[in-house]
Amino acid sequence: GAVVSQHPSRVICKSGTSVKIECRSLDFQATTMFWYRQFPKQSLMLMATSNEGSKATYEQGVEKDKFLINHASLTLSTLTVTSAHPEDSSFYICSAPRTGQLDTEAFFGQGTRLTVV
Amino acid sequence: AQSVSQHNHHVILSEAASLELGCNYSYGGTVNLFWYVQYPGQHLQLLLKYFSGDPLVKGIKGFEAEFIKSKFSFNLRKPSVQWSDTAEYFCAVSPPGGGNKLTFGTGTQLKVEL
Repeated sequence: GAVVSQHPSRVICKSGTSVKIECRSLDFQATTMFWYRQFPKQSLMLMATSNEGSKATYEQGVEKDKFLINHASLTLSTLTVTSAHPEDSSFYICSAPRTGQLDTEAFFGQGTRLTVV
Repeated sequence: AQSVSQHNHHVILSEAASLELGCNYSYGGTVNLFWYVQYPGQHLQLLLKYFSGDPLVKGIKGFEAEFIKSKFSFNLRKPSVQWSDTAEYFCAVSPPGGGNKLTFGTGTQLKVEL
């Protein structure tokens, strides 16, 4: 199957700093990618839809200035958590369907465990 | 807004036992339905999906699920589980044309004992 790679898998940062998480589709093009967040013992919650070459679409309640998304190429989307605080500690996962096959299968990255201290 | 409920958070079974994991969704229209699995240390991967047609869908590794529209349910089944089925299972929905914009259930942790 197709591969989506997420980097880093784990990161610890100090409060007030920014952290960038990368999501790459390794063997297919993805004009759309999705970013999810998972708190302990809770479900994955969609944060935003990343669109290549245009602005991301954020879900209600997600601060776009805090979670900056850039989708500059057909294979890469980045999520930057700006001015991170301990409450931003969570598990972040990206997914990507193949371009032109949005309603088939989305492929998931392995996730990034962010800890803000 | 859509929501998905998975009733069993933790399930422990012996090998060869039958499995049924419940999933109910709340949505006012047609939906696409999915079951994803996450084996320890691995990515989420698709087990099976339902878009339309035969409400009984078969997926990988002997899993199947049945869409019952009147009950808003999409339960996952396997007649005989194996130790290697130990994983976390997520039910998810998206609106047609939703581009895999998924709403997930809280997940069910399945442990299969030898």
